[in-house]
Order: sequence, then C-alpha cells, then structure tokens
Amino acid sequence: GESVGLHLPTLSVQEGDNSIINCAYSNSASDYFIWYKQESGKGPQFIIDIRSNMDKRQGQRVTVLLNKTVKHLSLQIAATQPGDSAVYFCAERTGTASKLTFGTGTRLQVTL
Amino acid sequence: SAVISQKPSRDICQRGTSLTIQCQVDSQVTMMFWYRQQPGQSLTLIATANQGSEATYESGFVIDKFPISRPNLTFSTLTVSNMSPEDSSIYLCSVGHRVGEKLFFGSGTQLSVL
Repeated sequence: GESVGLHLPTLSVQEGDNSIINCAYSNSASDYFIWYKQESGKGPQFIIDIRSNMDKRQGQRVTVLLNKTVKHLSLQIAATQPGDSAVYFCAERTGTASKLTFGTGTRLQVTL
Repeated sequence: SAVISQKPSRDICQRGTSLTIQCQVDSQVTMMFWYRQQPGQSLTLIATANQGSEATYESGFVIDKFPISRPNLTFSTLTVSNMSPEDSSIYLCSVGHRVGEKLFFGSGTQLSVL
C-alpha cells in the first residue's frame, strides 16, 4: 500500500533512547492540542492531548509540552520501542468548533 | 473511544466514475468529519457531516464534488464524484462524542484513480 510518510521529515532514534518530536502551530488562539500516531495503512490513533491552560501533561511513556509563547508543541517518548515507528501528527483546535487543523507530520524510525 | 468501521478499505477506480465511502460508528456521536490525506501529506478537513442537514464544507471543497450524507448519529457517507487521478488519496472518517474533546479516526479508504 501507499506509505503515509513518503515526503515527511524523519527522526531516527535508537531503540531504548528517548524521542522528541516537535511541532509549531499556527494560531495563537488555539486552545486544545492533540498528538496522533499513524501507522502505515491505518488511521490516526490518539496518543495524548493538552489544553492551553497547561504547559505539560504526562501519559504512559509519553509527555506533551506546550509553549504558548513561541507556539510550540513537543511530544516526548521515553524508552522508544520498535512499535513506536510511525508518523506522528500534532493537531490544534481553535474556537468552539471541534474540527482540528493538522501539522505536517514527522516520521519516527526506530533503529535496533 | 469509538469503534469506527469504514468501507471500502481501498479501491481502484476509473476516471470519471464516482465512489461512495461509508462510515459506521458503534455508538451515537455528536460530531462526524471527513478528512483527506494526499500521498505523503498531512490531513485536510473536507467537511463536517451534520445530522439531518447539509454538510458544512471547508474552503476548496464543494458539495457537487464531495456530497455527504448523515442520516443518523451513527452513520455517514462521502461520495467522491467524477473522479480524476488528483483525487487519489486516503479518505478518513473522524468522530467525536462531545464538542471540544478528542476525535477518533477510522482506518481510512485508500483510493487510487486511474
């Protein structure tokens, strides 16, 4: 099948290391942000979200950091595993509607 | 979460024909959206599927090309009309239970137009 990540920036990380995936968002009025993981041939899978009144949120092996001053979002994955290999998208929501605007995506490759 | 079934999962179509993609959810959802993901690119919102009324389209997308139905709170269809090779993409259904909260995605329909 067609690969989602043909033209996306790629981050290569060794298994066991920590990964940091960055995202610059566009709208200073955005109040909610989500990270999605997309494996080849599948739809995006929710990882973690954060609201604009927070600057950090932790999940299982993942942490999202939000810097509203510079409109920057990052996803940290601890002890990266081969199963983490995928394309990662950040998405932002602005206003009362729930529709999301997606970033360009980053392909994470985990090497053994 | 929600279990979202999207059909077909993939199709190869001839130029000038139309394809209807179905999205079935296992529970009633408030919001349903249709996204397009062109090869190697990010997701772009096509429209919001409104239950019992006409869909709300984003800039660059029109009803004649992408008619959408949403007869109830668990089902929607997207038709890609009069297809050309430029319509080759992954089409994704997305749903949400409550306004302002996370959205879940179906597995997508990979469309190739020859």
